[in-house]
Amino acid sequence: KAGVTQTPRYLIKTRGQQVTLSCSPISGHRSVSWYQQTPGQGLQFLFEYFSETQRNKGNFPGRFSGRQFSNSRSEMNVSTLELGDSALYLCASSLTGGPLNEQFFGPGTRLTVL
Amino acid sequence: DQQVKQNSPSLSVQEGRISILNCDYTNSMFDYFLWYKKYPAEGPTFLISISSIKDKNEDGRFTVFLNKSAKHLSLHIVPSQPGDSAVYFCAALAPGGTSYGKLTFGQGTILTVHP
Repeated sequence: KAGVTQTPRYLIKTRGQQVTLSCSPISGHRSVSWYQQTPGQGLQFLFEYFSETQRNKGNFPGRFSGRQFSNSRSEMNVSTLELGDSALYLCASSLTGGPLNEQFFGPGTRLTVL
Repeated sequence: DQQVKQNSPSLSVQEGRISILNCDYTNSMFDYFLWYKKYPAEGPTFLISISSIKDKNEDGRFTVFLNKSAKHLSLHIVPSQPGDSAVYFCAALAPGGTSYGKLTFGQGTILTVHP
């Protein structure tokens, strides 16, 4: 079956703009998590959505937000972009998001903020 | 506050030899640990995991060891192959609702296996 897909794969924005990233989970998976990967910080958890509700949240400012649709697809939005937001944004899906549920990652969206 | 640490940014080994990747954690609430492998331009892929009730889990060439008292885990790859060259991340989960969908990752170790 198809894996996790993320669009777009690459994005270039300027400071102050906003951006929306999309993630389509594996069919049947209801949990979608988002992570930010930077060279210095590794992968950091942003938030997790399950059944259209944000169920868990990491330590990121309110400029980072997300949502999940009834078909489990998820979007992540970053407003008022800063240079430090340049990163690889990964989403991962799992059946329920609970412990022991394997998370399957998409290829990521590479965001560059100029 | 880095709760999961991989102190070796890189590791280089010869094909056929053993690769040992290390990971330390500080949060005693973590009770499930995972290793992911990541190739460039791809997302991480799950490799192997271990529950805190065990001290060893083996899957083919990959073995993960957990030392709870030292809050340390390691991934052994024997024998190492050039195709194993990738970035390896260890990750941890805490029990309960606060862990939903949330993996806490280390910074990663770049493994290079030379032919």
